Formats: sequence, C-alpha cells, structure tokens
Amino acid sequence: QKEVEQDPGPLSVPEGAIVSLNCTYSNSAFQYFMWYRQYSRKGPELLMYTYSSGNKEDGRFTAQVDKSSKYISLFIRDSQPSDSATYLCAMRGPPLQGAQKLVFGQGTRLTINP
Amino acid sequence: NAGVTQTPKFRVLKTGQSMTLLCAQDMNHEYMYWYRQDPGMGLRLIHYSVGEGTTAKGEVPDGYNVSRLKKQNFLLGLESAAPSQTSVYFCASSRTVNYGYTFGSGTRLTVV
Repeated sequence: QKEVEQDPGPLSVPEGAIVSLNCTYSNSAFQYFMWYRQYSRKGPELLMYTYSSGNKEDGRFTAQVDKSSKYISLFIRDSQPSDSATYLCAMRGPPLQGAQKLVFGQGTRLTINP
Repeated sequence: NAGVTQTPKFRVLKTGQSMTLLCAQDMNHEYMYWYRQDPGMGLRLIHYSVGEGTTAKGEVPDGYNVSRLKKQNFLLGLESAAPSQTSVYFCASSRTVNYGYTFGSGTRLTVV
C-alpha cells in the first residue's frame, strides 16, 4: 500500500465549476501538507502549505486537512482554463536525519473546459 | 533570480553510456533533492543533500550517484545508463526543513 493515494484522474470540468481534489494517506506521523501545481512539461510549483488539521484559504484555493480521517483536499472555486494542470499532494512528518522528506501523491490531471 | 536551473533539458543516451545532470540554485538553499517522475509512479526521491559536502540515499538510489561539492550545485550521475532510467528528472531545493520545495523545470532522459 502506498503511503499517499491520489486519484490520477483525468478530471474534466467546465469553466466556473468548483473542483475538489483529494488525497488519503496512511502514515499518522504526517504533519505538514502541501499542494503543488504542475503545468505540462514544467516543474511542480508550491500552491498551498498547511500544518495540522483545518482549512487554509488563498484566493480561489482552499486546502483542507482532516487528520482524524487521514484525508486532505484542495478546492478550486470559479475554476479557469489556466487552472488546467496536474495537481500533486505532498506531505511529510517530523524532520528525519535533518532533511524534510516529502512523500508525493501520483498527481491528478485536471482540465478546465471553456 | 533564476531559482533552480537544470541542464541539460533533454538527452538521449545509449544503454551503458554515462552522463551527469547538473542542478544549480541561486537562493542559498541548504537542502537539495533529485527526483524522478514516471507515469503512474509520481515523484520518487533518488538522493538528497542537507548541505554542502553531504549526500544521502532516497527511495530509489540504485544506479545513481550524486555529489554536492558546492552549496549551489547538486550533480546526479548515471554511470551505466539502462532503459529503466528513462524518465523525467527533477531537482528541487529548500531553505530549511520548514519550507516547501522549489523545483527546476526538469530533464527529459531517454535511454535506448
């Protein structure tokens, strides 16, 4: 079983829709949760960074963490064609041997149709 | 501010050839990482470094070597390339353990 599970999609929605992207994880030691966005043929870029449970909002994006269920979500409101990308969740536990070692989900490929 | 720069961007190797991928960052970050990204497998950590002169193995280190002689550079070497090493390679860096990663734009490697 993978430590982090993410539905690879692909997911296709119309412009303006609310998008929900999700990841589940098995390691209860994970404390820090991130979402990265990766455009085609580019490197991932950090989108959201949260610690512990709860919600964090940044513009049209909301990251949600439910540690009791080992479940994290990213919501995109008023989705735009420019949001079309692959979204990767990532998480880590306490520093190990001095380095933060992120564990990534497979990534969900999202397309927003005009 | 260039961030994380990877060279080359593309490369085709024959089985058994060797090559070195270069990663350079200009953000004075302590930590640097090499990942490979394959369809259906996500990002997998190959090797990482917690500072100049240090290296450590990640999840899939076999067939790769690394060096961090200068703080700003992290080199990934393939001594004898195999078709299984066909992948997209990403370098990343972070300031400390409490920061997210900054990724480079990747190197697309094909081994034939």
